[in-house]
Amino acid sequence: KAGVTQTPRYLIKTRGQQVTLSCSPISGHRSVSWYQQTPGQGLQFLFEYFSETQRNKGNFPGRFSGRQFSNSRSEMNVSTLELGDSALYLCASSLGRLAGLGRVGNEQFFGPGTRLTVL
Amino acid sequence: AQSVSQHNHHVILSEAASLELGCNYSYGGTVNLFWYVQYPGQHLQLLLKYFSGDPLVKGIKGFEAEFIKSKFSFNLRKPSVQWSDTAEYFCAVNKLAAGNKLTFGGGTRVLVKP
Repeated sequence: KAGVTQTPRYLIKTRGQQVTLSCSPISGHRSVSWYQQTPGQGLQFLFEYFSETQRNKGNFPGRFSGRQFSNSRSEMNVSTLELGDSALYLCASSLGRLAGLGRVGNEQFFGPGTRLTVL
Repeated sequence: AQSVSQHNHHVILSEAASLELGCNYSYGGTVNLFWYVQYPGQHLQLLLKYFSGDPLVKGIKGFEAEFIKSKFSFNLRKPSVQWSDTAEYFCAVNKLAAGNKLTFGGGTRVLVKP
């Protein structure tokens, strides 16, 4: 079974630009979560999508947005890039069973990440 | 706010030594608990998970972790490490009420000297 794939793997942008990152989850997985990893802040949750709906959102400004398509693929967008947005952006997929309906299957599998550098 | 604490930022040990990494969380409700590992140049991989039942869980590569509910802890152990265990280890907590949101600890960098 193929793992989580993310494209592109590396991106270099300048301040003020916008960027779109893509994630393809493991086949059959309906939940996609996005995380930002930086040396200073560690791993922080951005948002989760399940069945094309945002189910959870972290504490990030509105410049960070996402969406999920009917085939469970997801994209995240960052507008008006700032230097502090430089980070490794990780996508994770899971079966996404709703909380309380059985926890087995909620483990998340991570992709290799997209390394974004903002100059 | 829920937080996850990993007490050691860096650990250096020799091959065949035993490893124990601490993890504590602050949330009092029902949680799922995970340990992930990030080998140099590789992506995050799931080492083991706890959902319910036996508080001692076994994962891949000889790792195990013990959930102690009264101490809000989920410590990771390996009796005898190898050079290939050099990596960064992350503890993560998922509140059942928060969908699939994972809250991660700050990570522990483990260096195993050959």
